Amino acid sequence: GAVVSQHPSWVICKSGTSVKIECRSLDFQATTMFWYRQFPKQSLMLMATSNEGSKATYEQGVEKDKFLINHASLTLSTLTVTSAHPEDSSFYICSAGGGAGGKGGYTFGSGTRLTVV
Amino acid sequence: DQQVKQNSPSLSVQEGRISILNCDYTNSMFDYFLWYKKYPAEGPTFLISISSIKDKNEDGRFTVFLNKSAKHLSLHIVPSQPGDSAVYFCAARGNAGNMLTFGGGTRLMVKP
Repeated sequence: GAVVSQHPSWVICKSGTSVKIECRSLDFQATTMFWYRQFPKQSLMLMATSNEGSKATYEQGVEKDKFLINHASLTLSTLTVTSAHPEDSSFYICSAGGGAGGKGGYTFGSGTRLTVV
Repeated sequence: DQQVKQNSPSLSVQEGRISILNCDYTNSMFDYFLWYKKYPAEGPTFLISISSIKDKNEDGRFTVFLNKSAKHLSLHIVPSQPGDSAVYFCAARGNAGNMLTFGGGTRLMVKP
C-alpha cells in the first residue's frame, strides 16, 4: 500500500520549453505533497509544499512563477517547469505524506530526471 | 544553514561487519527522524524511523539510536551486506508543516 507513481521517469527538453511532472497517489489520498530537487551528489532540497485545493508554499529561493505546482485533487499533484533552462536540469522527486502509516508516514515517487538542452 | 548534517560523505565496510552512519541536527524542534536508502535516479526507500520520545528503534538488521541531548542519531546495520551499498540519507521532521529536512547523505560501500 501507499504508492506514489511519478511520471515521466526521465525527460529531455529544449531550452525555453515547459515540462510537466505528475505524481499520483495510487491507493490513498494525499492531502499534502512535497516537491524536492536533487543535484548530482547532493542532498534532497525541498522546493515547495502543496496542499490539495490551495496554493503551494515555496521555499526561499524557489521561483514560484517558474515552478508551477498544482494540487487539484487528493490523488494528483503536478510540477511544471516553465521556460526551462539548462540550469534547471536536475532530479525532481515528489513525496506524499506527513501523516501516520507505513514507510515512516512519507511515500516518495521514483523521481524524474530532467535534462534541458 | 544546514539543520541536518551527515559529516561523512562516504563509508567503506567489510561484508558481515557493522556499518554505523551518523547524523547530527541543530533544530531542537525536530520531533521525528527517518533514514532512507537511495540509488541514483530513484526515489528514496524508507528504512527506519524514530520518534523524539524514544532513544532506540530496531527493525531486523537496522537499528536507529537517538541522543537528544547531543542532537545526534545513528543508523547501525549489522551484519552489513553488499546489497546495502547505496547512499543513505537521514531526515528530520519539524512540528510545523510536516516537511522533512534531509542531511547531505553518506555513500556506504560494503565490500564482499
